[in-house]
Amino acid sequence: EPEVTQTPSHQVTQMGQEVILRCVPISNHLYFYWYRQILGQKVEFLVSFYNNEISEKSEIFDDQFSVERPDGSNFTLKIRSTKLEDSAMYFCATYRTSGRADTQYFGPGTRLTVL
Amino acid sequence: AQKVTQAQTEISVVEKEDVTLDCVYETRDTTYYLFWYKQPPSGELVFLIRRNSFDEQNEISGRYSWNFQKSTSSFNFTITASQVVDSAVYFCASTDRRGSQGNLIFGKGTKLSVKP
Repeated sequence: EPEVTQTPSHQVTQMGQEVILRCVPISNHLYFYWYRQILGQKVEFLVSFYNNEISEKSEIFDDQFSVERPDGSNFTLKIRSTKLEDSAMYFCATYRTSGRADTQYFGPGTRLTVL
Repeated sequence: AQKVTQAQTEISVVEKEDVTLDCVYETRDTTYYLFWYKQPPSGELVFLIRRNSFDEQNEISGRYSWNFQKSTSSFNFTITASQVVDSAVYFCASTDRRGSQGNLIFGKGTKLSVKP
């Protein structure tokens, strides 16, 4: 079964550095999402993306964050200047329709550690 | 705004016991969708079930069953004859009328530990 993939699995960076997290959605899926999960806490919505533009974003998704789909396959999340509090697991999700059980399917996540 | 509450932070059971994970939701929408996801120690999020607000039928899938009650705004999840492999954090989530297209609002999760 096709899967959402994410790279890298773990990224360590220094505070103030830029990071780019990458996701390869399942082909032919149209809606893409980023969520984050701070260690031990709940999963939080960041942004949704459809038709090459942001369709919705949360309060967390401030000017330090951006998303794009540069080449029609990868879906990226960029954090311009990382802060300690950006340390979290970042999940990419893709929406598919499969009859009665359509749902968002999640990638394995990228653990971001900001030092 | 939607809200999902999972009051049980941690539950510990012995293998073969039945266990119920509670989920209470709040929404102003008349059409909404509810989900359960499993997060094993490896960290990925595994989809378990999706339920529409207009479908109150309970569902059973093997050892898993779900009880959806609009009258109490609850969508509880029961594991029958629990196994060690069921140990995970379980998240309840909801979206609005857009269904799975809308952004998921998660509860804080319930950590289930099943001991042999």
